[in-house]
Amino acid sequence: DAGVTQSPTHLIKTRGQHVTLRCSPISGHKSVSWYQQVLGQGPQFIFQYYEKEERGRGNFPDRFSARQFPNYSSELNVNALLLGDSALYLCASSEAGLSPLHFGNGTRLTVT
Amino acid sequence: DAKTTQPNSMESNEEEPVHLPCNHSTISGTDYIHWYRQLPSQGPEYVIHGLTSNVNNRMASLAIAEDRKSSTLILHRATLRDAAVYYCILPVEANSKLTFGKGITLSVRP
Repeated sequence: DAGVTQSPTHLIKTRGQHVTLRCSPISGHKSVSWYQQVLGQGPQFIFQYYEKEERGRGNFPDRFSARQFPNYSSELNVNALLLGDSALYLCASSEAGLSPLHFGNGTRLTVT
Repeated sequence: DAKTTQPNSMESNEEEPVHLPCNHSTISGTDYIHWYRQLPSQGPEYVIHGLTSNVNNRMASLAIAEDRKSSTLILHRATLRDAAVYYCILPVEANSKLTFGKGITLSVRP
């Protein structure tokens, strides 16, 4: 069975640019969440979407936005990139309720 | 989220059991205890979760103290592939909003 897939795997952008990261959840999973992991730290929650609606938002600026499509795939958008946005961006999917999260292997974003 | 405390690191020998501790003294009666691990260059991977009684699955066992203020993840026979960062998490609002700490880095010696 295919797991959570993220694209691209690596990305290099310059300050001020915009980036779009993509995530395809496990088939049948309707919840998608996004996390940012800076080197040496644990992942930090950014967003959760369920049935195409935002269900949670972490402590991130408005430069970060996301959406979920009818097929439950999701995009994370970051505007006006800063050097501090360099990180591993992780997507996770889950079924509803108390089911565990299934993470992809992330997109490594480098901002120069 | 209720705070968890884990040692920074632990070392183990291959094929020996490993006990990874987690303290969560402010846990509430409805908080589940979740464990995830993250292998190098990969996303986190769910390991196990429990509420009150001990839990077993194919990956590990979770031993929960009677007062629920601590728990221990048990890997029965460590392999080199078990070298990873292990996170003990108590989700509150929803299982999708997990608060990861720094976790405990497990090294396995051949």
